[in-house]
Amino acid sequence: EVQLVESGGGLVQPGGSLRLSCAASGFTFSSYEMNWVRQAPGKGLEWVSYISSSGSTIYYADSVKGRFTISRDNAKNSLYLQMNSLRAEDTAVYYCARDLTGYSGHDYWGQGTLVTVSS
Amino acid sequence: QSALTQPASVSGSPGQSITISCTGTSSDVGSYNLVSWYQQHPGKAPKLMIYEGSKRPSGVSNRFSGSKSGNTASLTISGLQAEDEADYYCCSYAGSSTFYVFGTGTKVTVL
Repeated sequence: EVQLVESGGGLVQPGGSLRLSCAASGFTFSSYEMNWVRQAPGKGLEWVSYISSSGSTIYYADSVKGRFTISRDNAKNSLYLQMNSLRAEDTAVYYCARDLTGYSGHDYWGQGTLVTVSS
Repeated sequence: QSALTQPASVSGSPGQSITISCTGTSSDVGSYNLVSWYQQHPGKAPKLMIYEGSKRPSGVSNRFSGSKSGNTASLTISGLQAEDEADYYCCSYAGSSTFYVFGTGTKVTVL
């Protein structure tokens, strides 16, 4: 069974940093592209970042470019999101999501981890 | 990176069919047959319902179907059931500059 389990969320002050993790199991992690998608309280879904299966290709939404860094460790079946210079508008539930091949959709999602940026 | 436009809400009675639209531009929906649709119940993670515009993942009811015309994609739910009451989001691949863009979301109410 495919499982994605996020961790690392919590309360952080504006300007602070946080590192999210996503532990994958039930599939060959190194063969799949992965994404981070977030959802602010009561709001819609927003794509945050993409990383290719090898980690060699990375994309970011403009809203996080220069502040967030996506990475993966295929030996540990893990996906990461390093978030720096956090702002109140980064407050959201952050989901990791597995990509179908060819950018055709996100077929498995974790349960999400809540990040709250507040003083 | 503007979000794709969806109606805020759509409603229907049990057994009826409803259609949710997802309007983008020639840079996203219109350029690629890579629209996906997600169902999200309150407090839950999104669930993939349609990918590549019209394909259903294994286990998704054939009451759900997708289509596209020009810059607008659509999700149709036929034989509406109480369990279909949820939020629905479209998403499109948008090329290497924008990558993915989600829709604004539609709340489906079963009357």
